[in-house]
Amino acid sequence: DAGITQSPRYKITETGRQVTLMCHQTWSHSYMFWYRQDLGHGLRLIYYSAAADITDKGEVPDGYVVSRSKTENFPLTLESATRSQTSVYFCASSWDSEAFFGQGTRLTVV
Amino acid sequence: AQSVTQLDSQVPVFEEAPVELRCNYSSSVSVYLFWYVQYPNQGLQLLLKYLSGSTLVKGINGFEAEFNKSQTSFHLRKPSVHISDTAEYFCAVRLSGGSYIPTFGRGTSLIVHP
Repeated sequence: DAGITQSPRYKITETGRQVTLMCHQTWSHSYMFWYRQDLGHGLRLIYYSAAADITDKGEVPDGYVVSRSKTENFPLTLESATRSQTSVYFCASSWDSEAFFGQGTRLTVV
Repeated sequence: AQSVTQLDSQVPVFEEAPVELRCNYSSSVSVYLFWYVQYPNQGLQLLLKYLSGSTLVKGINGFEAEFNKSQTSFHLRKPSVHISDTAEYFCAVRLSGGSYIPTFGRGTSLIVHP
């Protein structure tokens, strides 16, 4: 199916563990983004990518790592998960005007 | 850098009443403006966008918004809401040239009562 897919949809992990959230798009959009959504904060940009092999920090990058070896994939890794990283994570892509969003990953760090 | 302020965190309204969700932005250069809707446990969907041209923009589900450059506003309106419009609404802005990065407001929760 065409679109942007995130996996997993739900994840529970323990403090200190590494976890990777996956994002795949089928359109070949140049830009991709990772946001986190928290009550009272709206959507905050974690990292973005303008093209394959080009990534840059957003507003809240600490504790996260991204890579983009292929245009269609943009995984987000939490190197050592903390409880403050409990959130809903959204991946999005864009090529011209608006951004297109995935369904989100609800991550709980216990 | 651009920023977005959504003035109301929550807007309760009765079914079939009109509603306005307010959005103000800050930018020193030309921008694109967007409204997105988020239903529970889902991602964001585009409602409407302003890129250029007519300042009154019509979107899906009967929503419309008006771009007001002098007041740096982009308020969302619907003349008669339905229960199914209950959702979170986000206003977003991005520069019209260069960076494609959208900046989002904190969201407004629209609650439609029967």
